[in-house]
Parts: sequence; C-alpha cells; structure tokens
Amino acid sequence: KAGVTQTPRYLIKTRGQQVTLSCSPISGHRSVSWYQQTPGQGLQFLFEYFSETQRNKGNFPGRFSGRQFSNSRSEMNVSTLELGDSALYLCASSLSTSDYNEQFFGPGTRLTVL
Amino acid sequence: AQSVAQPEDQVNVAEGNPLTVKCTYSVSGNPYLFWYVQYPNRGLQFLLKYITGDNLVKGSYGFEAEFNKSQTSFHLKKPSALVSDSALYFCAVREYGSGNTGKLIFGQGTTLQVKP
Repeated sequence: KAGVTQTPRYLIKTRGQQVTLSCSPISGHRSVSWYQQTPGQGLQFLFEYFSETQRNKGNFPGRFSGRQFSNSRSEMNVSTLELGDSALYLCASSLSTSDYNEQFFGPGTRLTVL
Repeated sequence: AQSVAQPEDQVNVAEGNPLTVKCTYSVSGNPYLFWYVQYPNRGLQFLLKYITGDNLVKGSYGFEAEFNKSQTSFHLKKPSALVSDSALYFCAVREYGSGNTGKLIFGQGTTLQVKP
C-alpha cells in the first residue's frame, strides 16, 4: 500500500506570495492532519480534516487554511507569506478520527520564504 | 493542557549497548502515547503506541516502551543499539476523549547518536 505523498517536496517563495501544498493520504484513510515543523517551535498542529470537514484547528493565523476533497486528498494554503513561515510542512493520515489511531506521515514539503 | 517533555536534547550510546530515550507527559485524563522517529529529510515514521493494557509495548525495529502511570512517563528503549538507529525521536500524546481529534502533542525531540 502506498504511503502518504506530498507535493511538491521543495518550494521557494518570496514574502507576500501565496502557496498551496498537496497531500494524498494512504488509501482508505479519511482523516488528514497538517503540522508545521521548525527548529525553534518543533512540531505544531495546524488542522485536521475528515470527510471534507475541518474537525480541529491549531493556533495559527487565518493566513493558513486548508481543505479536503471527496477522495480524501487535502491541500493547505498559506497566503501573504512571511519569513517565519519557512518550515517543513508535514501531512499525516489516519483511518479515522479515533483517538487511538496512529498517524502516518508523508515526507513533507520544505518551504523556504525569501 | 496536554504537554510532553523530552528532557534530553541528545542521547549518545555505543553500538550494542542498550538505549533509553526519555519522555514524560501531562494530561488531565487518560493518555494515548506514541513514539515516532525522523531520519534526515524524511517525514515521521511510527514506532509504537500505548493505548491500554500491558505497560510494556513492543514496536518496530526492536524498539519497546514502558508506560508508567505513576511517573507519567513513556520511555523508549532498545536492548542493543545499532548505528542505523541514529535519528531524531519524538514522543507524542493525545488525551482520550479530549476532542482533540487528529491532533498530536509532540515533545521537542531527542537526537539519538549511536557510535560504532
């Protein structure tokens, strides 16, 4: 079974631009979560989607948004990029939203904002 | 609030020796606990989890972890370390019934360095 895939793997943008990242979950997984990983803040939860609905959201500004499609694929968007948005963005999928389900992570998208 | 602490930024062990990576957690209710490993330029790989039952949990690549409710700890262990175990290890928690669906709270990570 194929793992979680994320595209693109690397992105370079400039301040003020916007970016869209894509995530395809493991087949059959319906829950997709997004995390931001930085050296200073570590791994921080962005949001979770299940059945095309945002179920949970972390403490990020409104510039960060996402959506999920009927095939469970998910996208996240960051508008008006800031230097501090440079990070590794990780997508994770799980079978459902049950608390005991482990999440399976993709390789991440490395975003660099210049 | 839920939180996870990994008190050691780095752990150094010699190949063949046992290793322990420490993790303590804080939740108001019952925890679900997870360990992940991250290799350079890769995403996180799931190692093992504690849900309920036996306090000693066995996972992938020979790793195991011991849940200790009184000490609120979930230390990762391996009897004999390999050089290939060198990586960044994350402990994570989710509180049962907290409504924090999809959200894992991660520790800051511990770099494991195994020397030949």
